[in-house]
Amino acid sequence: SQQGEEDPQALSIQEGENATMNCSYKTSINNLQWYRQNSGRGLVHLILIRSNEREKHSGRLRVTLDTSKKSSSLLITASRAADTASYFCATAFNFGNEKLTFGTGTRLTIIP
Amino acid sequence: EPEVTQTPSHQVTQMGQEVILRCVPISNHLYFYWYRQILGQKVEFLVSFYNNEISEKSEIFDDQFSVERPDGSNFTLKIRSTKLEDSAMYFCAGQGRANSPLHFGNGTRLTVT
Repeated sequence: SQQGEEDPQALSIQEGENATMNCSYKTSINNLQWYRQNSGRGLVHLILIRSNEREKHSGRLRVTLDTSKKSSSLLITASRAADTASYFCATAFNFGNEKLTFGTGTRLTIIP
Repeated sequence: EPEVTQTPSHQVTQMGQEVILRCVPISNHLYFYWYRQILGQKVEFLVSFYNNEISEKSEIFDDQFSVERPDGSNFTLKIRSTKLEDSAMYFCAGQGRANSPLHFGNGTRLTVT
């Protein structure tokens, strides 16, 4: 598998439900980041979690990182129609001038 | 809030032509990147740029590609002789310091016919 694979590839849920997306990676990392992309637009940074951190919160977002399993999850609570987008995890290996390696993405659709 | 701006938003060019994609990063950023995303595929790293030189480039970034930061503000990606497979969204990104998030522009959609 490639560095940074998300699952599921696509997820449809009802508005108000929680959405969980997972990301796996293969090599050691310095940090892992989650980005959101609306169709045809640029990537918007959501959360950065460092390799020595296990969990971070930002509003309705919760990210976990398990370096022993080389995996991360993004939880969006109380989903809204406006959360419909593609979500990507990206991993950085080097400290300073980090090249990000993006995953394949999860396409999230929130049904009103 | 400062933004990364990219121009043009859409560029159509014929195969073999040269294109220059332009980016104005956030002024106090130090690290700069170009990524591309072929339709329906993942975002791929092309090149990173720091201290006025390329710090890393991917296998995609062959001799047809070059980057410049000619005047301390603009950051350009040039493709000398475009191929059909260069059709993609090209994203510029900047980073203020190490181990921090990247700020992306909205991209330039390049269509090579």
